Amino acid sequence: GAGVSQSPSNKVTEKGKDVELRCDPISGHTALYWYRQRLGQGLEFLIYFQGNSAPDKSGLPSDRFSAERTGESVSTLTIQRTQQEDSAVYLCASSLGGTIAYEQYFGPGTRLTVT
Amino acid sequence: AQRVTQPEKLLSVFKGAPVELKCNYSYSGSPELFWYVQYSRQRLQLLLRHISRESIKGFTADLNKGETSFHLKKPFAQEEDSAMYYCALNWIQGAQKLVFGQGTRLTINP
Repeated sequence: GAGVSQSPSNKVTEKGKDVELRCDPISGHTALYWYRQRLGQGLEFLIYFQGNSAPDKSGLPSDRFSAERTGESVSTLTIQRTQQEDSAVYLCASSLGGTIAYEQYFGPGTRLTVT
Repeated sequence: AQRVTQPEKLLSVFKGAPVELKCNYSYSGSPELFWYVQYSRQRLQLLLRHISRESIKGFTADLNKGETSFHLKKPFAQEEDSAMYYCALNWIQGAQKLVFGQGTRLTINP
């Protein structure tokens, strides 16, 4: 079946605007993750969903960042009042979840550029 | 605090030569370690995990708890191995998440 999909693939926005990034996980995967990758840096964990709940939001950089997941499916990462330092590739991943470290399957990412 | 360090940002070797990508970690619990790979214009994907103890595409990685290392090795590099490689630690205190190193870009020269 289809893998993890993300939209949009690219987003250019002006500083101060809000953006929404979408992730469609693999069907049946209860765990969903958001990561951020700034240019020249490694992947930075943002948030993890198990089902619809987010046990760990500690990776969200500021209160401008929020995420939700509905129906154990689609997730949306929202960044309010974007800043230039928010420019990065945002990656979503999903896995079977649970307490075992199942393989995470990554989407293609959304490249966000804040001008 | 949990941390993964990949000391080499860039690594270049000739085809047929051995390759070793270094990874060191700090973690107070019992670690679960992974290598992820991203080939050009492809998604990040799992290469191997230490609990599987398997060889994927000729690559192996051994967990050395004494040296807190999980180096990735291949005896004879091939051109198609050129990619970005990330070492990752699964941190399960409170929530599952992967802590990634900064990555090593491996280039195999013909």
